[in-house]
Amino acid sequence: QSALTQPASVSGSPGQSITISCTGTSSDVGGYNYVSWYQQHPGKAPKLMIYEVSNRPSGVSNRFSGSKSGNTASLTISGLQAEDEADYYCSSYTSSSTLEVFGTGTKVTVL
Amino acid sequence: QVQLQESGPGLVKPSETLSLTCTVSGGSVSSGSYYWSWIRQPPGKGLEWIGYIYYSGSTNYNPSLKSRVTISVDTSKNQFSLKLSSVTAADTAVYYCAREARYLRYFDYWGQGTLVTVSS
Repeated sequence: QSALTQPASVSGSPGQSITISCTGTSSDVGGYNYVSWYQQHPGKAPKLMIYEVSNRPSGVSNRFSGSKSGNTASLTISGLQAEDEADYYCSSYTSSSTLEVFGTGTKVTVL
Repeated sequence: QVQLQESGPGLVKPSETLSLTCTVSGGSVSSGSYYWSWIRQPPGKGLEWIGYIYYSGSTNYNPSLKSRVTISVDTSKNQFSLKLSSVTAADTAVYYCAREARYLRYFDYWGQGTLVTVSS
């Protein structure tokens, strides 16, 4: 089971919107709505930002939203802020024996 | 508020066994709604799921590590543990324990992580 594919980096200016893609297969992203997104600041543990494709946990800003089309899930950050600069990882349940697979990770830079 | 805390040696010699424990507070490893997982992250690299355990003791492991991994649970201490045998430098990583929602398959609480270095 290979890692889900994410762009290595995405950047934007404060106030702009950016979108991070997460591409898998019909055995993971495309086959289930169990896609989640995590934010990781340097030296910190990942933090859950989105679960079940588009649901936000309590306390997560509504500037973060998720969606899915076919085998690709997406995380959109609107009204980009300096504090959003971090690494972002997607994750999906997979029907392969691996069961859980993470994305390759995307570094978000706020210009 | 659920909290998880990893503990264990930060340095392990090649070919030996890495052993870590995760202590859970504010929640119970005996809850039927969650899996208790281990995830690792080599320095400068991405996340890799190692495996999980259910309170009943049933486990699932990443096939790439399955031959070397054992995850166990101690409900009396509200802890779960990871053992990874025959380690090499490639096993050097920050190891996280995390709680996974059983039905919706997301990791909602994570430990702070502990760096384990494999070196002689």
